[in-house]
Amino acid sequence: ETGVTQTPRHLVMGMTNKKSLKCEQHLGHNAMYWYKQSAKKPLELMFVYSLEERVENNSVPSRFSPECPNSSHLFLHLHTLQPEDSALYLCASSLGTEAFFGQGTRLTVV
Amino acid sequence: SQQGEEDPQALSIQEGENATMNCSYKTSINNLQWYRQNSGRGLVHLILIRSNEREKHSGRLRVTLDTSKKSSSLLITASRAADTASYFCATDVGQAGTALIFGKGTTLSVSS
Repeated sequence: ETGVTQTPRHLVMGMTNKKSLKCEQHLGHNAMYWYKQSAKKPLELMFVYSLEERVENNSVPSRFSPECPNSSHLFLHLHTLQPEDSALYLCASSLGTEAFFGQGTRLTVV
Repeated sequence: SQQGEEDPQALSIQEGENATMNCSYKTSINNLQWYRQNSGRGLVHLILIRSNEREKHSGRLRVTLDTSKKSSSLLITASRAADTASYFCATDVGQAGTALIFGKGTTLSVSS
């Protein structure tokens, strides 16, 4: 256990659905991240929040909408996704250098 | 864009052998980190080496860094079947917090 918890662990959703991924950490970290991991591709950094403010958005389509209500929680709201969005979505947190990752949410878009 | 790139992409060895993985990166770094990922799980931090360090050890892990060549290597000595996983190098490029950029990783398979 890394101290970063992601829910749900698995999610199957239709292209017209709206769902949210949740990430929680109580490590006292001040930065949180969303990564996307697709087969045979490098981990893609999607969003970075530092002190609850979004500081990086790597050209992610608007069908992905992050939310960071406080330093311990991070959400990724999903709507009208495409099959190519199926992947492992990883949340991470840090306090400067080393990142602690959650176990990920395996998302399948049908 | 991709910052770190690991080599080889896949490595198969026998238990007891050493495994060496290499990483090349493109821009100046403050530090370079290595992570491990078991299949379909989250990444776990293994070791960090700062730009002013050349070598670092942690248990059976040895990391080297050559900033002039923009490369790093991870050596796992006396490998075990439990070392089977994917290994990634990561460099931090963010202006705020740590925004780690990862390569595609090396998939290590250790057979008993």
